[in-house]
Amino acid sequence: GAGVSQSPSNKVTEKGKDVELRCDPISGHTALYWYRQRLGQGLEFLIYFQGNSAPDKSGLPSDRFSAERTGESVSTLTIQRTQQEDSAVYLCASSFQSYNEQFFGPGTRLTVL
Amino acid sequence: ILNVEQSPQSLHVQEGDSTNFTCSFPSSNFYALHWYRWETAKSPEALFVMTLNGDEKKKGRISATLNTKEGYSYLYIKGSQPEDSATYLCARFNTGKLIFGQGTTLQVKP
Repeated sequence: GAGVSQSPSNKVTEKGKDVELRCDPISGHTALYWYRQRLGQGLEFLIYFQGNSAPDKSGLPSDRFSAERTGESVSTLTIQRTQQEDSAVYLCASSFQSYNEQFFGPGTRLTVL
Repeated sequence: ILNVEQSPQSLHVQEGDSTNFTCSFPSSNFYALHWYRWETAKSPEALFVMTLNGDEKKKGRISATLNTKEGYSYLYIKGSQPEDSATYLCARFNTGKLIFGQGTTLQVKP
């Protein structure tokens, strides 16, 4: 079956512009996660969706970051007024339930000039 | 934030060597520990999900043990091969999300 997909695979943008990243999880997976990895650093949790519960936004670094998920399907991560420190690989993952193994997408490499 | 620490940060071994690395984590309110392998230009891939103290899991030449009382897990690779070269991440499951360590990057020389 299809795995987790993300788009775009690469995004180059100018400082101050808004960007939107998309994630299509595996069908039937109730949990969806966004992470990022900045250069030389580890995987950093951003936000987590579980079914119809309120999302856990505790990892979002600033109010310029927001994310939505439609039911148990597609999620979008939006970064407003991008800054150079937002440059990173943004990874999406999904799992059947939150405690199960996570399946990761290929990531979106965001470069803010 | 519950810190997860991994050591060493990087490791270079020769093909055929066996190796191991460590993941340490806060032991209170433990639920699960995950191990992932992240190869260059690919996505992280799950190796093990471990929940029970004393648990030992194996997948081919790779195995892992778990001590929840003292808060550590070991990952072992027997007879390393060049295709084992990757970053190995451990993550502690906490209130619905995974908190990842910084990873151990393994390079296996032919």
